[in-house]
Amino acid sequence: DQQVKQNSPSLSVQEGRISILNCDYTNSMFDYFLWYKKYPAEGPTFLISISSIKDKNEDGRFTVFLNKSAKHLSLHIVPSQPGDSAVYFCAATSGTYKYIFGTGTRLKVLA
Amino acid sequence: NAGVMQNPRHLVRRRGQEARLRCSPMKGHSHVYWYRQLPEEGLKFMVYLQKENIIDESGMPKERFSAEFPKEGPSILRIQQVVRGDSAAYFCASSPNEAEQFFGPGTRLTVL
Repeated sequence: DQQVKQNSPSLSVQEGRISILNCDYTNSMFDYFLWYKKYPAEGPTFLISISSIKDKNEDGRFTVFLNKSAKHLSLHIVPSQPGDSAVYFCAATSGTYKYIFGTGTRLKVLA
Repeated sequence: NAGVMQNPRHLVRRRGQEARLRCSPMKGHSHVYWYRQLPEEGLKFMVYLQKENIIDESGMPKERFSAEFPKEGPSILRIQQVVRGDSAAYFCASSPNEAEQFFGPGTRLTVL
C-alpha cells in the first residue's frame, strides 16, 4: 500500500521556466512533509519542508504548497536551472522519525 | 563537520554470503536510521537505533537482517545468506534528535 505517491516518474522543463512536482498522500495522520533532492550516486539531500498547520512554505527559488483537503502537495522551482536536474522525493511523517517516501520524480532541466 | 559516511559504497556478494554495511553518523548525532531503496521505488524505512539500543525495527525483514549501533564505532546493518532480492541501495541517516534526518551516500549491494 503506497501511502505517498508521486505519479510522474519524470519531468522535463526548459531552463528559466517553472518546475512543478506533485505528490499525493492517503494517510490523514501525516502532519509533516519534506522534499528531498537526490543526485546519482549520492544520498538524498533535504530541500524544504512544511507542517500541516501551514499551506505554503518558501525558501528562495523553492516553494512547497500543501492542500490538506485534497491530500496533495507540490514543489515549485522557479526559475529552474540545469543544476536542479535530479530525482526529487516527497516524504511524509505523522510526527515521528519514520519517513514514508514516494517513488520519486526525475526532473531534467534543459539548457 | 563531515557528513554521514557509509562504506563500502559498492558491495558485491554471491548468494548465501554475508553483507556488512557500515554507517558513521554525523558528529554529535546519536540517532541512526537505515532505509532500503529497491530499483524504481522510494526509500523504505528499515530500522531506527540509538547508541546500543534498537528503538524500532518494524521495517526490517524478520529473518537474515540485523542491525546494531554499538557504544563505540559505526552502526552496522548485517544481511546473512544474501539472496538476489536483497540487491538494492541501502541508505543510512542520522539526526541529533527525532528531527530532520541527514542521509549518507548509500551502499549499493549487488547479489550475484
